[in-house]
Amino acid sequence: KAGVTQTPRYLIKTRGQQVTLSCSPISGHRSVSWYQQTPGQGLQFLFEYFSETQRNKGNFPGRFSGRQFSNSRSEMNVSTLELGDSALYLCASSLAFVADSPLHFGNGTRLTVT
Amino acid sequence: KQEVTQIPAALSVPEGENLVLNCSFTDSAIYNLQWFRQDPGKGLTSLLLIQSSQREQTSGRLNASLDKSSGRSTLYIAASQPGDSATYLCAVQLSRGSNFGNEKLTFGTGTRLTIIP
Repeated sequence: KAGVTQTPRYLIKTRGQQVTLSCSPISGHRSVSWYQQTPGQGLQFLFEYFSETQRNKGNFPGRFSGRQFSNSRSEMNVSTLELGDSALYLCASSLAFVADSPLHFGNGTRLTVT
Repeated sequence: KQEVTQIPAALSVPEGENLVLNCSFTDSAIYNLQWFRQDPGKGLTSLLLIQSSQREQTSGRLNASLDKSSGRSTLYIAASQPGDSATYLCAVQLSRGSNFGNEKLTFGTGTRLTIIP
């Protein structure tokens, strides 16, 4: 069974640009969550989607957005990039409720903003 | 606001030793707690999930315990091996969510473990 797939693995952008990251969950998983990981702040929750609906959102500015498609694949978009957006962006999927099944993480997309 | 702390930030032990990693959280009203490992440049791998009604979970050489009342969890690794070298993170889920939604996980900052051959 294929794991969570994130593309691209690495990305270099300049300030002011926008970027779209993609995540394909494990087959059958309908919940997809996004996290940002930085050395200073650690892992922080961005948002979570289930059945194409955003169910939860973390404390990030509106420049961070996402969506989920009918096949459960998810995309995350960051507009007007800032240097501080440089981070490892991790996507995780689960069967339904995190409480009942563990999260399965992808290897992440390393975003560098110059 | 839930805060999760992991001490120490880094730990080095000789191969073969048993070791304990610590995780503490400020709000005891958690729904579950998970332990993950992260290898350099990679994502997180779920190791153990403990529901709030449970006291411990075991998987192979790993044993995780949970004491909600004191806001603490420990991950015990028996007979450590060089392959156990990684960063270990704990994460808590505060509640299941009124609409059965996926409430966010709050992560600790991790303990970087090095097993010396």
